[in-house]
Formats: sequence, C-alpha cells, structure tokens
Amino acid sequence: ETGVTQSPTHLIKTRGQQVTLRCSSQSGHNTVSWYQQALGQGPQFIFQYYREEENGRGNFPPRFSGLQFPNYSSELNVNALELDDSALYLCASSRGVDSSYNEQFFGPGTRLTVL
Amino acid sequence: QQQVKQSPQSLIVQKGGISIINCAYENTAFDYFPWYQQFPGKGPALLIAIRPDVSEKKEGRFTISFNKSAKQFSLHIMDSQPGDSATYFCAASRYNQGGKLIFGQGTELSVKP
Repeated sequence: ETGVTQSPTHLIKTRGQQVTLRCSSQSGHNTVSWYQQALGQGPQFIFQYYREEENGRGNFPPRFSGLQFPNYSSELNVNALELDDSALYLCASSRGVDSSYNEQFFGPGTRLTVL
Repeated sequence: QQQVKQSPQSLIVQKGGISIINCAYENTAFDYFPWYQQFPGKGPALLIAIRPDVSEKKEGRFTISFNKSAKQFSLHIMDSQPGDSATYFCAASRYNQGGKLIFGQGTELSVKP
C-alpha cells in the first residue's frame, strides 16, 4: 500500500508569485484534505476535496484554491504569495467523508518559504 | 478562535517516567479526539484516538483519558523512551464535517536518557 506523497519537498518563492503544490492520496482513499502548519503551531485546515468537489473550507482567503483529479490526487494553488504564507503544507487522505472517524493519513509535507 | 487548547507547550521527562499532555475543547459537537505524533521533517501520524462514549482508551504505553463534562482529554505515555521524543498534537473533529481536524498548538516532548 503506497502512502501519501507530496511534491515538491521544499520550495522558495518571492512575494506576489504563485505556487502549486501536489499530493497523491493513499491507495483506496477518495478524500484529500490540505492543512497549513506554521512553525511551532498545529496544522490548520485549509480545505477538503471529495470526489473532485470542494467539501468544506477553513478560514483561508480565496487566493488559496485547489483541485482534485479523477485519480483522487490533488493540487493546492496559492496566488499572490505573502510572507505569512511561509509554512509546511500538509496533505492528508482518507476514505470518504461520511464520518468523523475516518482516519486521515498525512504526507511528509511541502516546506514553502516566501521571501 | 482557538477551539482546542493544548498544554504544556514543551515537556522534559526522564527515561522511564510518565509524560502527560492535556487538551481542552470548547465545541460539544466534537465527537472524535485523536492524538498525532510528529517527528521533524515528517507529517503527523495517528497515535491513538477516542470517542466521547468512553472515558479511557489504552494502546500499549499510550493512554487517552477523556472527561466529557469538563471537556478535557489527556495523553499519558507510560515508561517514556528517548524514541518518544517528538511533537504531539491533540485534535478534534465533528460528526458532520467529514473528518476536518481542529488541532491543538502542540507539545514538544523530550525524553532524556
């Protein structure tokens, strides 16, 4: 069973640029959630995708957007990067959204630095 | 609004000792309370989880104690080992939000040999 993978591992961008982060979900999982983890903080929920549709969004501005593909992999796009966007971006996959008990499996994250 | 509050921020324990991390939540709609362990450079990994219909759950050296009336839950690590040194996060989720996790701020645990 392949775990959750994310690319790239590290990324450096400048303020105002755009970035795309990628996530491959674990085999058999159809739900992907994205989290932002600032240094020394707990992860914060950005949004979730289920069967290619957004299924819930946290307190993040519209310049954070995403996609889910038919193979359930996902992208996180951030436009007009700000310094405060520097963080570890985590992707988590799970089976379905019909319960809060569906275990979420996290990838290793993408470390984004905005200069 | 911080819906899940975690303490302490950091913890140093001697090898063989008991590590205790506490969390408090506000939203009574939460119905799933997992604990995650995160090593540097890695994503969080599920350690143990509890539902509000039980007061305690034990898996090996790890125990969750849950107090529904006080809206508090805690993680106890018995016989702590240097390999347990990591950051621990408590979290909570609601039955109608498909597993969206609300995390605490994290506790950095260091187990000294």
